[in-house]
Amino acid sequence: AQSVTQPDIHITVSEGASLELRCNYSYGATPYLFWYVQSPGQGLQLLLKYFSGDTLVQGIKGFEAEFKRSQSSFNLRKPSVHWSDAAEYFCAVGADTGRRALTFGSGTRLQVQP
Amino acid sequence: EAGVTQSPTHLIKTRGQQATLRCSPISGHTSVYWYQQALGLGLQFLLWYDEGEERNRGNFPPRFSGRQFPNYSSELNVNALELEDSALYLCASSSLSGYTDTQYFGPGTRLTVL
Repeated sequence: AQSVTQPDIHITVSEGASLELRCNYSYGATPYLFWYVQSPGQGLQLLLKYFSGDTLVQGIKGFEAEFKRSQSSFNLRKPSVHWSDAAEYFCAVGADTGRRALTFGSGTRLQVQP
Repeated sequence: EAGVTQSPTHLIKTRGQQATLRCSPISGHTSVYWYQQALGLGLQFLLWYDEGEERNRGNFPPRFSGRQFPNYSSELNVNALELEDSALYLCASSSLSGYTDTQYFGPGTRLTVL
């Protein structure tokens, strides 16, 4: 069965600082990987996705993520954080079996200090 | 283009009652997914509908059911409500494309069971 681990429950960074959110997955075949962001009381917004090809993927709002098969990781990065980035971030993995269910990590809550 | 819409925004029920949640997918999307986001349990896959048929089901009891209509909108029904059913219920939609797809989420329905 597939699984996703987000080791950091809560991260605080200063505005303008760089950010890296960690995501490790467990899946035996080719994973399809996603990062979503959720503001309080809201739904999930897709930041970026990896299906195949270039292992460095660009997303919206200046985010990027790098797929590293050898480390089973898909870490999310942003060079300079803005106060509006404060939210909860979820990494998810989808299977290539046609079963379609996404498996989510437990999320990382990002707090941005002025 | 309109995103995924869900109604109602909030729903308050008492134990033992039934709840009905509704979802309209993005135009052109034929697949609808339901997820539960309960406090402490994270995001869990509930159901997947495509072309009017239930295609996959998560680890939830049968009192969680639903259907998809000819216009691809969907209903989630929760019978015999229990206190632990209190959660944010998120609907997502996608356009089926082989095994790969991207799920786009709605704002959710907050269900409170008293």
